[in-house]
Amino acid sequence: GQQVMQIPQYQHVQEGEDFTTYCNSSTTLSNIQWYKQRPGGHPVFLIQLVKSGEVKKQKRLTFQFGEAKKNSSLHITATQTTDVGTYFCRYGGTSYGKLTFGQGTILTVHP
Amino acid sequence: DTEVTQTPKHLVMGMTNKKSLKCEQHMGHRAMYWYKQKAKKPPELMFVYSYEKLSINESVPSRFSPECPNSSLLNLHLHALQPEDSALYLCASSWLADPGEGYEQYFGPGTRLTVT
Repeated sequence: GQQVMQIPQYQHVQEGEDFTTYCNSSTTLSNIQWYKQRPGGHPVFLIQLVKSGEVKKQKRLTFQFGEAKKNSSLHITATQTTDVGTYFCRYGGTSYGKLTFGQGTILTVHP
Repeated sequence: DTEVTQTPKHLVMGMTNKKSLKCEQHMGHRAMYWYKQKAKKPPELMFVYSYEKLSINESVPSRFSPECPNSSLLNLHLHALQPEDSALYLCASSWLADPGEGYEQYFGPGTRLTVT
């Protein structure tokens, strides 16, 4: 069956350092979404990637979908304390069934 | 209006109580969801409503009973819960339900439930 790993589980960075989280699948994905959940908050949609090799940018955030559509990454340049939270991927299999949340990466930013 | 509202924000209930969680959206979305989230874990899908009909029940115990009175409202009726059911209960909505292209989900702030 489909197995998707989101890594790392935790990441501690100093403010100004870069951060990357990955979702890696054993099988091809139909699409992938990224969400951010602040401490005490609820998940907020960031982006959706559908095409092979797709790259999208939102200010300091860069999202990529691999050429084989088996992995995706979220990269934050020069982290700020406002970036603190848990980042989840939400992925769909090629059967276009329901999407599933990854385990999440908890980001801590030290000022 | 891109907001999903949920009431109450917090709920403490005993194992013999009956209570309901409420969710509302006015974005014209035709899919609504209930999720359960434990600390440091991802949201876990419970139920999906598509066009006001239950389309997915992820083998949730019958002590959780969902209801969709109309396209804007979603309820979750709780009865005879267990302490392990304590969690954050999130409601979400999207334009349409999966399967499909995958639609952006809008989440409400959640109800923090404690079962004593």
